[in-house]
Amino acid sequence: GENVEQHPSTLSVQEGDSAVIKCTYSDSASNYFPWYKQELGKRPQLIIDIRSNVGEKKDQRIAVTLNKTAKHFSLHITETQPEDSAVYFCAASKGNAGNMLTFGGGTRLMVKP
Amino acid sequence: KAGVTQTPRYLIKTRGQQVTLSCSPISGHRSVSWYQQTPGQGLQFLFEYFSETQRNKGNFPGRFSGRQFSNSRSEMNVSTLELGDSALYLCASSLLRDRGSEQYFGPGTRLTVT
Repeated sequence: GENVEQHPSTLSVQEGDSAVIKCTYSDSASNYFPWYKQELGKRPQLIIDIRSNVGEKKDQRIAVTLNKTAKHFSLHITETQPEDSAVYFCAASKGNAGNMLTFGGGTRLMVKP
Repeated sequence: KAGVTQTPRYLIKTRGQQVTLSCSPISGHRSVSWYQQTPGQGLQFLFEYFSETQRNKGNFPGRFSGRQFSNSRSEMNVSTLELGDSALYLCASSLLRDRGSEQYFGPGTRLTVT
């Protein structure tokens, strides 16, 4: 089955700096890669996603890049703010297998003011 | 639209008991997936339902089961509870059946087994 590895497990940055979280996946048939943000005690929230026919996607301060050949994808957050502090999860899915998501282990991002 | 809702939000059970958790998807969404979240294992897929049919099942024992009703609401059941079943159980709903569509999570049910 699919295996998704995520790193780093913790990341501390100064407010205003950029943060990068990286994930690798094992199944070349995976074609949908969402990122979720989970604040303490709250539900995972979809923040951005990318499909295998796209190499990069941006939404304001957040961007995701995908390298299908290397089977890795990354989340980039620019101009970090304290409210960006949370646990971020990457995931992978094969569209023809329904909506089953395989998640990475999560990255705890701490943005210091 | 109202988001995904789950009931109950908190539950305390004793080993050996069984429990039923409920999930109501976003209106119009017909796919419901269930995940278990623990500090040690992270987020793990349990199963997915679409139009009352189980489409996928994760690597969990048969004590974990689920179903979906005609109104897309879903329930999951865990029988013969073990201490290791203590976790946050999350459901997520999707509009589409395939193509890896966006999934939106509910607030979860925190189950504690004593």
